[in-house]
Amino acid sequence: GAGVSQSPSNKVTEKGKDVELRCDPISGHTALYWYRQSLGQGLEFLIYFQGNSAPDKSGLPSDRFSAERTGGSVSTLTIQRTQQEDSAVYLCASSLAPDSPLHFGNGTRLTVT
Amino acid sequence: QKEVEQNSGPLSVPEGAIASLNCTYSDRGSQSFFWYRQYSGKSPELIMSIYSNGDKEDGRFTAQLNKASQYVSLLIRDSQPSDSATYLCAVNPPGGGGFKTIFGAGTRLFVKA
Repeated sequence: GAGVSQSPSNKVTEKGKDVELRCDPISGHTALYWYRQSLGQGLEFLIYFQGNSAPDKSGLPSDRFSAERTGGSVSTLTIQRTQQEDSAVYLCASSLAPDSPLHFGNGTRLTVT
Repeated sequence: QKEVEQNSGPLSVPEGAIASLNCTYSDRGSQSFFWYRQYSGKSPELIMSIYSNGDKEDGRFTAQLNKASQYVSLLIRDSQPSDSATYLCAVNPPGGGGFKTIFGAGTRLFVKA
């Protein structure tokens, strides 16, 4: 079956531009996560959506970052006025239930020049 | 104190040996525990999940959970060079709107042929 799909796979943008990253979770999965991983580092939690509950935004590093999940399915992570330190791989994951294992997409590699 | 702690390694073991990976967590209310494997340049993939105290075996992998000590471990028997990767411990502590998955920084494992 289809897994978690992320697009684009690679994004190069100039400093100061806005970017949108898309995640299409596995159908029926109620939980959706965004993580960020810088080169050689661990997974940094960004935001968590669970069903119709208010998202847990506690990991967003600044107000330049925002995310939404429409219709309990597709999610978009938006980074405004990108900075060089935003360069990283952005990973999306979904799970069937809050305490279920995560299924990861292949990630979006963001490079800010 | 970090919510999930792992020794960053690298841990180096000879082929055929047992690799032992350890993880501690801070929230006693945590319910679900996972081990993910991440190859360089790839997304994490689930290798083990454990929900109750004791051992859980799956092929060459054994997960061990001790909730009283807030300790999770992963044993890899008959280690192979293909096991060389970063191993991520993940825990679901209670969070707003349900449980959200928190990752440790990962332990790099090298299996020498």
